[in-house]
Formats: sequence, structure tokens, C-alpha cells
Amino acid sequence: EPEVTQTPSHQVTQMGQEVILRCVPISNHLYFYWYRQILGQKVEFLVSFYNNEISEKSEIFDDQFSVERPDGSNFTLKIRSTKLEDSAMYFCASSLQGMDEKLFFGSGTQLSVL
Amino acid sequence: QQQVKQSPQSLIVQKGGISIINCAYENTAFDYFPWYQQFPGKGPALLIAIRPDVSEKKEGRFTISFNKSAKQFSLHIMDSQPGDSATYFCAALHSGYALNFGKGTSLLVTP
Repeated sequence: EPEVTQTPSHQVTQMGQEVILRCVPISNHLYFYWYRQILGQKVEFLVSFYNNEISEKSEIFDDQFSVERPDGSNFTLKIRSTKLEDSAMYFCASSLQGMDEKLFFGSGTQLSVL
Repeated sequence: QQQVKQSPQSLIVQKGGISIINCAYENTAFDYFPWYQQFPGKGPALLIAIRPDVSEKKEGRFTISFNKSAKQFSLHIMDSQPGDSATYFCAALHSGYALNFGKGTSLLVTP
């Protein structure tokens, strides 16, 4: 079965630094998402992306966050100035037809902000 | 605020037993209810999903029961196996908006 690939699997950064999390969605999918999961808590929606623009974002996705699809295969999440509370597992996901269809999640990037 | 409440937080079931996880929602506009299974170190994977026009959906050993009037739905895992040990998340969605996940249930199936 096709997979969503995320790199790196672990990222450690200092507070205030910029980080870029990378994802390669499934090749024929059209909808892309970022979710995060703080340890022991539920999976939280950050942002959805379709047709080269953000289609929906949550309250968590403030001005410190941005997403980009720089080429035909990669989908990135940038956090400009990381805070301690940004420490979480970040999941990229993609789907073929939208949120009410099957979402395929990557294995995640564990971000630790020190 | 759209919310999905999931219980129990953790569950231990003997091999061969039935695992039952419950979820309740508030927003009557939700029209898609998936369950995701997550193994350690992996992302959530869609297990089974239901839409509110049916009261039950079965796929192999996994069944979703849906009670629209009570705004509740549940996952039943029949003949639970040690390989089913994972975290299970219920979720709900209003078409065009983001998935809302429950807090998850950690299931352990003992041999």
C-alpha cells in the first residue's frame, strides 16, 4: 500500500529556532494535512491544504506556522520561532478526495523543543 | 466547540474477548465517523468508518454501532487478539471541515 513519508523522524531544536518538517504525500492525492499529538493527548488538526492554498486551519495554526508545497511531491510545515509547547509528534496526512475520505498518515516527526 | 468524547481511556481484554470503546459527540452536523488504529511509533491508520444513515457497519472482527438519537457510536472488536493491542481513536467530521479526534483508548489484549 502507498505510504506518506515524513522526515526527519526526530527533530531536536532550541527554543526560538526555526524548524521545517517535511512530508511526501501519496503521489495522486490532492488534499494534504498536518496534525499534531502532544504526548498522551488527542490528535489535533493544524491545517489542510488543497490546490496550493490553505483550505482550513485551526486556532493552533497561528502566524508562527506556515505550509508550503514547494514542488510536485513535497509538503512542508515550518515553525518560525519554536516554543516549548510546540513539542509534539507532528503527523502529515493526505487524501484523495477530501477530509471525509480515508486519510493516510505518515509515521510522524517527533519535535522536541529545549 | 466541536467535541468528541471517548471512553474508556484504557482497556484490558483477554484474548478471545470483546473489546468495546465508546464515543459521544455534540455536533449534530457531523456526518462521518471513522475509527483510527495507532501502533507505537506509527501514524493513525483508518480502521473502519460509518455514516449516520446506517446503524451498524461490520468489517471482519470490527463493528461500529451508531446511535444517532443518542449521539453515540462505539467500536466493537470481536475475538480480540494480542495483535489488536494499540491505541484507538474515534473521530467525527462535518463534511468540508477537519476531523475531530477523541482522546484515544489504549487497548491491551492479554494472551
